[in-house]
Parts: sequence; structure tokens; C-alpha cells
Amino acid sequence: GQQVMQIPQYQHVQEGEDFTTYCNSSTTLSNIQWYKQRPGGHPVFLIQLVKSGEVKKQKRLTFQFGEAKKNSSLHITATQTTDVGTYFCAGRPGGSYIPTFGRGTSLIVHP
Amino acid sequence: EAGVAQSPRYKIIEKRQSVAFWCNPISGHATLYWYQQILGQGPKLLIQFQNNGVVDDSQLPKDRFSAERLKGVDSTLKIQPAKLEDSAVYLCASSAGRVTEAFFGQGTRLTVV
Repeated sequence: GQQVMQIPQYQHVQEGEDFTTYCNSSTTLSNIQWYKQRPGGHPVFLIQLVKSGEVKKQKRLTFQFGEAKKNSSLHITATQTTDVGTYFCAGRPGGSYIPTFGRGTSLIVHP
Repeated sequence: EAGVAQSPRYKIIEKRQSVAFWCNPISGHATLYWYQQILGQGPKLLIQFQNNGVVDDSQLPKDRFSAERLKGVDSTLKIQPAKLEDSAVYLCASSAGRVTEAFFGQGTRLTVV
């Protein structure tokens, strides 16, 4: 079955440093979504990428979808303590409606 | 607009007992998902409904888990009998379309002792 791998599992940064999490799929994806889950909370939708090579920005967050549509990344510039949480990618294989979540990357920001 | 409602928020049961969770999606959302999230892992899809039909239930342990969405609106997920490894947060989510953003409820934290 489809596998979605995320690295790293954890990332500790000092406030103000940058952060990147990577998502890799074993199959070509029709789309990929990113979610953020705060400690004790539920996943909250951030963005959806559909096109090969697509780049989208939300303030300090930059999302990329690879040219082969098998990998994606989320980059946060100048992290803040409010960025703390676990970031998940969820990919749908081509022709499928079924999303598969990665294991997530937990971001810890030290003030 | 109101979000996805789930109840109960917490449940503690003994192994071999049964339990049921309820979910009311955002009004008008045709797609409804039940996920199981074990501590430290990503949400695992158990079942996906489109209106009152099942799109996928390939990861639902059907010998003990069942789910229904009879009128295409709210849904229930049942576990009978529960095992220790069922301890997890059960998340319900809904979306307007099959591939659009999903809105999650607060989840039900189940502890099986």
C-alpha cells in the first residue's frame, strides 16, 4: 500500500531559526495537504498542493510540491513559539480519494 | 459556522467492553472520515463515507469495529469488544468534497484498561 514518510520526527530550534520538514511518498500523488496539530489539539488544515512544482506561501510558511509529485516540504522562516506543534502531510495517490497521513514532525521552539 | 462535533471527549473502559463514539459533521459536508490516532503517530484512516455510502474501510478492523452514517449526516463508530491496543484518540473529520480540506473535531480520547 501507499506509504508516506516524514522526516525528521522531531526538531528542536531556537526561536528565530528556520525549520523544514520533508514528506516523501512511495507513489505519485494527485494532491498533498499539510496540517498542524498543537499539543492536545486536533489537526488543522494549512494548505493543499495539486500541481507539479507548485510553491505556495503563507506569511512565514513556504510549501513546495515536487516536480514528480512524490515529495513535498514545509519551510518556516524565523520560527516563533506559536509555531510549536506537529506538522503532518497527507497525500492522495493518483486516482484515489483516500488520504494517507505521514507520522508527523514535532517542532519544539526554545525561547 | 459550527465545527465538527464529537462526543464524548473522554472515555475509559475495561477490555472486552463495548464503546460508541458520535460525530456530527459540518452542515452540508458530504464526506466524513473516522481516524484513529495513537500517541506519537499520524492519524490512520479507519473509514471514509461519501454521504451514506462507504468509500473506503480497508483499514477498519471489521471483527470488532463498525461504523454507520445512516442518513448521510451524523455518524457513529463502535468498538465491540475493546482491546488494550485500541487506546487512542478517535478523530472525526468532514469535508465538502472528496479531495478538499478536512475539518477535524476535537476527538475522543479512549483509554482501555
